[in-house]
Amino acid sequence: DVKVTQSSRYLVKRTGEKVFLECVQDMDHENMFWYRQDPGLGLRLIYFSYDVKMKEKGDIPEGYSVSREKKERFSLILESASTNQTSMYLCASSFRRSRAREPEAFFGQGTRLTVV
Amino acid sequence: QKEVEQNSGPLSVPEGAIASLNCTYSDRGSQSFFWYRQYSGKSPELIMFIYSNGDKEDGRFTAQLNKASQYVSLLIRDSQPSDSATYLCAVNGIGGYNKLIFGAGTRLAVHP
Repeated sequence: DVKVTQSSRYLVKRTGEKVFLECVQDMDHENMFWYRQDPGLGLRLIYFSYDVKMKEKGDIPEGYSVSREKKERFSLILESASTNQTSMYLCASSFRRSRAREPEAFFGQGTRLTVV
Repeated sequence: QKEVEQNSGPLSVPEGAIASLNCTYSDRGSQSFFWYRQYSGKSPELIMFIYSNGDKEDGRFTAQLNKASQYVSLLIRDSQPSDSATYLCAVNGIGGYNKLIFGAGTRLAVHP
């Protein structure tokens, strides 16, 4: 079974704190993603990585950075948390080339972050 | 224009009816199309994917793809209350890296 594991299910942080969200996958996937999900807005891509140390900005990268030092781990960093970053954060992974038998992205359980 | 557009709903259908969910996309280079289901408080899970024009059936679910019209749909036959969820359409973006772009999702409510 594919496993994508996020380090925390719930987090409460204070405004201005530096926040790390960790994600680990065990399927040897090249791609890893960080999405943010807010009511009515669906999943919005924050950052995408297609290889170790490689990253691309998604639709809403402002206020976030990422790190991919190892293939299995992808970290999302909020440099200085703000209340408008309160949201559900979802990590996902997939093969780089869409494969007929397993083309999809697999998701972690999500981290609900509250910034107070 | 958003890359992937869906009607947010809610779409309300009676139990046993056919639910029809629609999605349009802007990138003509997209090759893979996915439907995910997401229950409240849970992560998205894949229902179906489709590559080729036409229909693809899996049990009560049928995905339909029309690349010329840039249109993907999901039909759910014999809808059950347990099908009540948000359905997310996803498309792999340009660049060949299988980067998935999601629509905002359509909320489906199946009432007894």
